[in-house]
Amino acid sequence: DVKVTQSSRYLVKRTGEKVFLECVQDMDHENMFWYRQDPGLGLRLIYFSYDVKMKEKGDIPEGYSVSREKKERFSLILESASTNQTSMYLCASSFFGKGAFFGQGTRLTVV
Amino acid sequence: QQPVQSPQAVILREGEDAVINCSSSKALYSVHWYRQKHGEAPVFLMILLKGGEQKGHDKISASFNEKKQQSSLYLTASQLSYSGTYFCGTDASRGAQKLVFGQGTRLTINP
Repeated sequence: DVKVTQSSRYLVKRTGEKVFLECVQDMDHENMFWYRQDPGLGLRLIYFSYDVKMKEKGDIPEGYSVSREKKERFSLILESASTNQTSMYLCASSFFGKGAFFGQGTRLTVV
Repeated sequence: QQPVQSPQAVILREGEDAVINCSSSKALYSVHWYRQKHGEAPVFLMILLKGGEQKGHDKISASFNEKKQQSSLYLTASQLSYSGTYFCGTDASRGAQKLVFGQGTRLTINP
């Protein structure tokens, strides 16, 4: 079974903190994604990576950065967390031309 | 830009049929469909590649009209287990599978 593992299910951080969300996949997928999910807004793409060290901005990259130093790991970084970044964050991975597999999500609360 | 899904919500009785539509303003290489149950990660259902194909398994099928940049998901003789939120994901980047999702359609099946 494909596994996409996110490091935390729940996180509470203070405004202004630097936050790292980690995602690891075990299927050698080329593509990895970070989305945020908010009620009524669906899944919005933050960043996308199609290879190690390669990244592309999604629809809402402001306030976020990413790192992909190894093929299996894709990190989302909130440089200075703000309350409007309180959300559910979902990581996913896929082979090109195939369906994506999602992690269980990290519910981040910024206070 | 996110694709647009319609309707936003559907309530059915068990055994009834449903159609969920997805449209994009961009030329698409592929369309994905996913289902998310409450509190769980989205799960891949099927992918339709450029070529106007129709796919399906069991009583869930989908079509892709590449000229209109539209896809439809068909659920026939719905079962209680079909309840959840359905998302279409579109890929307008042939070389990279940058997957952008719609806002979702909430499907409720009542006995």
